[in-house]
Amino acid sequence: QITLKESGPTLVKPTQTLTLTCTFSGFSLSTSGVGVGWIRQPPGKALEWLALIYWNDDKRYSPSLKSRLTITKDTSKNQVVLTMTNMDPVDTATYYCAHTQLAAPVYWGQGTLVTVSS
Amino acid sequence: DIQMTQSPSSLSASVGDRVTITCRASQGISNYLAWFQQKPGKAPKSLIYAASSLQSGVPSKFSGSGSGTDFTLTISSLQPEDFATYYCQQYNSYPWTFGQGTKVEIK
Repeated sequence: QITLKESGPTLVKPTQTLTLTCTFSGFSLSTSGVGVGWIRQPPGKALEWLALIYWNDDKRYSPSLKSRLTITKDTSKNQVVLTMTNMDPVDTATYYCAHTQLAAPVYWGQGTLVTVSS
Repeated sequence: DIQMTQSPSSLSASVGDRVTITCRASQGISNYLAWFQQKPGKAPKSLIYAASSLQSGVPSKFSGSGSGTDFTLTISSLQPEDFATYYCQQYNSYPWTFGQGTKVEIK
């Protein structure tokens, strides 16, 4: 079955760079149509889509965050990495990764809470 | 960006009630719409894709309809496990966008 799990720091300081890793199993990111995306959710607020990378290395970003985001994949390790620069307290959120196959996400990771504070 | 607006933002309902949640897109998205259910402290769960197709394993009390700009999620008979927050999401064009959520509470 398909599973995904996010990992990374739980606490980062303002202006630092956040690096999150999504490690998945049950599918391959070299299969046509498959993608892995990142979505975040500030405490008590709505979901916000951040970025997506496809099997063919096509990458899509939220325009409002594009200058701060980079998404990459390591197909051999079954991992997708998201980096977000210049972190601010407003970036405090639970960050999810999710599997997609040319459609809305179906399988989600459990999420990881990242707090931005000095 | 396509803006997704859900209504109501919250509702109170009783077990056994029929509940309808509306999602409106700021421009046409064909049927590229999904619905998710989220319970506190948990990841969203996919309920519906392509506006009206039920995800595998999702009970048939959930149904979706609509096309273009107006969509609905209906729960035919609300059960205790259905009290949660529901989100719509468009995947017609990037950036993918979510509605603000509808919290379904116990009356």
